Amino acid sequence: IQLTQSPSSLSASVGDRVTITCRASQGISSYLAWYQQKPGKAPKLLIYAASTLQSGVPSRFSGSGSGTDFTLTISSLQPEDFATYYCQQLNSYPLTFGPGTNVDIK
Amino acid sequence: EVQLVESGGGLVQPGGSLRLSCAASGFTFSSYWMHWVRQAPGKGLVWVSRINSDGSSTSYADSVKGRFTISRDNAKNTLYLQMNSLRAEDTAVYYCAREPTRRDGYPLGGPDYWGQGTLVTVSS
Repeated sequence: IQLTQSPSSLSASVGDRVTITCRASQGISSYLAWYQQKPGKAPKLLIYAASTLQSGVPSRFSGSGSGTDFTLTISSLQPEDFATYYCQQLNSYPLTFGPGTNVDIK
Repeated sequence: EVQLVESGGGLVQPGGSLRLSCAASGFTFSSYWMHWVRQAPGKGLVWVSRINSDGSSTSYADSVKGRFTISRDNAKNTLYLQMNSLRAEDTAVYYCAREPTRRDGYPLGGPDYWGQGTLVTVSS
């Protein structure tokens, strides 16, 4: 299963609402996770099962979707949110990641 | 505190072998499924392998199938990745990560803790 993410990169300002899309090449139900990764650091789980917020993750992060189309939304971008975001499908093997979306400062 | 500490990375020649280890602490290792994920320098995340909680079921990316073997020792709280017939394209930081399970023992939906990674460089 191939995952595409759009946009591949975006520039935004603190306080902006940001939406990242992940599209699967075939239906994956709700078996989708979102991760945040900062340079030189390990990925951090934000959302699992498409819309469940991981414990400890700020509520400005939310996920939605099922089947083939998914979104990650950051309701009000904070300075610590500038990073690369990846989606991952866990519906079927081989598990796959999207190519990533880089969010940087405008 | 949950800790995952990878070791065993380094420089190896093409065609060579390496075994990575991931020492787990701060949680009940035998209750979690485990993953290996890699990231080539400047590139995105690539899933490598997954093993269930008792080690009876494993899965691999097509690019490593037949060359890499994932295993675990629940008595030692350690995850392994045996890598054979290494190629230049295997050069990457290798992360181990744990995945929680539901009450029925099946995975919950993605790794929630990751180690800091170990660098594997395949070069002559």
